[in-house]
Amino acid sequence: DIQMTQSPSSLSASVGDRVTITCRASQDIDNFLAWYQQKPGKVPKLLIYAASALQSGVPSRFSASGSGTDFTLTIGSLQPEDVGIYYCQKYNSAPWTFGQGTKVDIE
Amino acid sequence: EVQLVESGGGLVQPGRSLRLSCAASGFKFDEYAMYWVRQAPGKGLEWVSGISWNGGIRDYADFVKGRFTISRDNAKNSLFLQMESLRREDTAHYYCAKDRLGSLGYFDSWGQGALVTVSS
Repeated sequence: DIQMTQSPSSLSASVGDRVTITCRASQDIDNFLAWYQQKPGKVPKLLIYAASALQSGVPSRFSASGSGTDFTLTIGSLQPEDVGIYYCQKYNSAPWTFGQGTKVDIE
Repeated sequence: EVQLVESGGGLVQPGRSLRLSCAASGFKFDEYAMYWVRQAPGKGLEWVSGISWNGGIRDYADFVKGRFTISRDNAKNSLFLQMESLRREDTAHYYCAKDRLGSLGYFDSWGQGALVTVSS
């Protein structure tokens, strides 16, 4: 099965900082990648699909790119409400595996 | 508005069974694949199982194959997860999730989750 590895596992940044999270697939998954945000105590929320398409209603400070095995999620200007855990997930075929998550905090 | 409401969670002894249900509303249930995703306390997300719109295709994570069965009743807009031979490591919040568009394999709506605790 394809493994999804995120880095870093956690990060702390200041409000207004540009933040980048990476996700690496153990095999080529084309652009079949989604990103989710899970705020503390909340259910996950879809941010990005098809590696770079912004889900409706998601702020434009979120962007993503990548194809094949290497992907990135960028928060252009970190806001206090962006605190949470971010997960990538592959969906080229079952099993629909998630990365282990990246915890984002405010300094 | 899409609503997914899980039920059936609770405390169960190792080796016993439990059946989760998910009541769906706000969308044409029979046009979407549906999934179960779990999250152990303080841990990350784990996809558990998925079912196509008509139930013809069912997928399972290796760690539940042979123990869990996913099903759906389109007439009742409901999704189910029958869990057998439960283990302590199955303790988690179980989320019902809807495919974003048909059967793509990623999830645009989630329920609030049902907590399953496997303990003696």
